[in-house]
Amino acid sequence: DTEVTQTPKHLVMGMTNKKSLKCEQHMGHRAMYWYKQKAKKPPELMFVYSYEKLSINESVPSRFSPECPNSSLLNLHLHALQPEDSALYLCASRGAGYGYTFGSGTRLTVV
Amino acid sequence: QKEVEQDPGPLSVPEGAIVSLNCTYSNSAFQYFMWYRQYSRKGPELLMYTYSSGNKEDGRFTAQVDKSSKYISLFIRDSQPSDSATYLCALTTDKLIFGTGTRLQVFP
Repeated sequence: DTEVTQTPKHLVMGMTNKKSLKCEQHMGHRAMYWYKQKAKKPPELMFVYSYEKLSINESVPSRFSPECPNSSLLNLHLHALQPEDSALYLCASRGAGYGYTFGSGTRLTVV
Repeated sequence: QKEVEQDPGPLSVPEGAIVSLNCTYSNSAFQYFMWYRQYSRKGPELLMYTYSSGNKEDGRFTAQVDKSSKYISLFIRDSQPSDSATYLCALTTDKLIFGTGTRLQVFP
């Protein structure tokens, strides 16, 4: 299995909702990442987990809450989002080399 | 100055053309250099990565790195309509930093 699987593929949520994005990989990678990508822009780093511990938080607002329950799973909990948070949320993992494997993303719309 | 600059495009070429995509960077601490391809509404797909100056070839793709000039390139030979996508250079130390991306359109 050489994939990073993200669910759901699409999500529409209201500003008062709580939802979660899920990311899973079974490649044994010990570094996992959340990125945010707006239309026609490159991905921007949000969080880095290394060996299941949060190692980098790029000053992301607290309405985004990451969680790494085990070495294969990464969640992003969402609460009280704003319309400007609408974007493609990408999960990535990295193994021993420096090639990052990305999932297909969750397209989030906040209404 | 941004850490990574990439020619914005868009680039429109006929099928069979040789395509050259380029990035420059400012931080000499970058160690690994990658090219990703991203189709619309999909995640980025790793095409090539290298860590040394010189050329690396994989099929129709050649990645070139010049650390002294802080310049990286991706060449696509015999371009195909299926190559139409956004191409992102990406460089890493402890984080992966992307260029802004170049949109490529290959028309039949």
